[in-house]
Amino acid sequence: RKEVEQDPGPFNVPEGATVAFNCTYSNSASQSFFWYRQDCRKEPKLLMSVYSSGNEDGRFTAQLNRASQYISLLIRDSKLSDSATYLCVVNLGDSSYKLIFGSGTRLLVRP
Amino acid sequence: EAQVTQNPRYLITVTGKKLTVTCSQNMNHEYMSWYRQDPGLGLRQIYYSMNVEVTDKGDVPEGYKVSRKEKRNFPLILESPSPNQTSLYFCASSFLAGDEQFFGPGTRLTVL
Repeated sequence: RKEVEQDPGPFNVPEGATVAFNCTYSNSASQSFFWYRQDCRKEPKLLMSVYSSGNEDGRFTAQLNRASQYISLLIRDSKLSDSATYLCVVNLGDSSYKLIFGSGTRLLVRP
Repeated sequence: EAQVTQNPRYLITVTGKKLTVTCSQNMNHEYMSWYRQDPGLGLRQIYYSMNVEVTDKGDVPEGYKVSRKEKRNFPLILESPSPNQTSLYFCASSFLAGDEQFFGPGTRLTVL
């Protein structure tokens, strides 16, 4: 089983739609969780950290479910500019604190 | 401006010709890391450094070397590049291991 798994998509949605991505992780000891956004051929950029209590930033909401070992990202009122690949990132949970990157979920927002 | 810089951004080279990709950060970060990104495989860690003079192998270290003589710099060295090292390379840094990482703009390397 992969340490971090994401549905590769693409998710093709109209502007204004609400879309949600899930990401599962295998190590129950993982402590840090992030969502990154990556545009084509560009560097990944932090979108938001995911806390146990959840995290909301404008149209973006991230949730953590430790019992089922998944994190989610909800995007409301999708914009064309939201089209990108969203990477789920989880720390390994051991003394190396290594971050494991999922392969990403591709989102296409159409007019 | 807080940033991670990499050079060169694009490089086409030939098999066996040694090359170095530089990485520098100005955020006083302890942790630095190199990744390669290939289609369908996501980001894979090559080497990382927890602090000056402390480096360790990531998931795909074969064919690469690194050094961390100064806190701000973390060069990636390919002693004898091969075509299977053709990839998009990212350097990243964070205040401490496990924290959110900041990425450089990437280096697109082609080895013929």
